[in-house]
Formats: sequence, C-alpha cells, structure tokens
Amino acid sequence: GENVEQHPSTLSVQEGDSAVIKCTYSDSASNYFPWYKQELGKRPQLIIDIRSNVGEKKDQRIAVTLNKTAKHFSLHITETQPEDSAVYFCAASPFSGGYNKLIFGAGTRLAVHP
Amino acid sequence: DTEVTQTPKHLVMGMTNKKSLKCEQHMGHRAMYWYKQKAKKPPELMFVYSYEKLSINESVPSRFSPECPNSSLLNLHLHALQPEDSALYLCASSQVTGTEQFFGPGTRLTVL
Repeated sequence: GENVEQHPSTLSVQEGDSAVIKCTYSDSASNYFPWYKQELGKRPQLIIDIRSNVGEKKDQRIAVTLNKTAKHFSLHITETQPEDSAVYFCAASPFSGGYNKLIFGAGTRLAVHP
Repeated sequence: DTEVTQTPKHLVMGMTNKKSLKCEQHMGHRAMYWYKQKAKKPPELMFVYSYEKLSINESVPSRFSPECPNSSLLNLHLHALQPEDSALYLCASSQVTGTEQFFGPGTRLTVL
C-alpha cells in the first residue's frame, strides 16, 4: 500500500546549524509533497510544498528538493533558530478528483539548542 | 478569512453518549477532511468530502459518522465510542488537489 518513510525520527542541532529531514514515498502516482510543522498542542501548519514538475523550491531559510526517479524528497532548514523546534511531517499525495489524499511520514522531532 | 475553526476545543464523553464535532471554513474550499491524531503520531486520514460528497472513507468504524451539510460546514457524529478513540480530531480544507491544506486547531476528545 501507499507509504511514506521519514528519517530521522529525532534531530538535535545547535542554533545556527542546518537541519535536513528526508522522506521516501512508495506511490509513483504521488505528485504533491507538502511539509508541515506542528508545535506542541497546536495544529499542523504548512511550511513549504513542492509539485512533481519542480525539482527544488526555496523560501528564505527553508528549501525542499524532490527526486522523482528515486522517489525521495528532503527538507533543508538553514541557520536554525530555537523557534524552529517542533515536529515536522512530510506527506505525499496524488493529484486526484479535486482533493488531496495525504499520506504522512511518521514525523521528525527537531530540537534547536541555543 | 483564512482559517478553519473547530468546536468544541475539548470533549469528554462516556461510551454511551452521542456527541458531534463541528468544523467550519469560509475560504471557498470544496474539499474538507477529518483526521485523527494520536500522541506522537502523524495525522491519520478518516474521511474526505469533495464538493459536499463523501469521496473517501478510510475504513472508519461506523461509530464515526461524517456529514457535510453545505460547502462551509463539516460535522463528525460520534456514538458508542471506545476509550481507544481518545485522540485529537483535526478538520482540514483545501481548494483543489495539489494545493495547501489548512488544518483547524482540533478537538481533543477523551472517551471514558
């Protein structure tokens, strides 16, 4: 069945370092790849997304890369700050019928230490 | 208005109770979703409504009954729940496929 694997499950970095989270998906029909940040007790919030016709996308300190051939995509956060500490989820979805069918990875707990 | 709202924020119910969760969005989105999230786990898709029609039911037990009265509202009716159904229930909406899915703040449900 459809599956998204996410690594690492926990990541601890010093403030100012870079953080990289990697995901692999199984459904070759997946075309939409969002990344969500969820702080403790709060809702998931989209931080960046990428579609299959694009290999890389950047938004200030955050970038996502996609390799469709290898079926993997990665999140890169540069110059990390303590407020980046949260759980990050990757997800994959095919384009279908007017809605998303997001399959989430298990999540990465990022801790940024001052 | 770029927000999804959910009520109530917290709900405690017994196994014989009937209750409903409510979700509302005024962004003109035509797809609405219910997710269940257990602690330290990712959101797990339960139901998808597209243009007010049920498009996906991820083999959810019948004690959970979704309803989409109109394009802005989504309900989840609960009946005879089990303690293992205790979780955060998240509602979400999106415009069309391949676009941002906005999540509501969730309802934290406890079943005694």
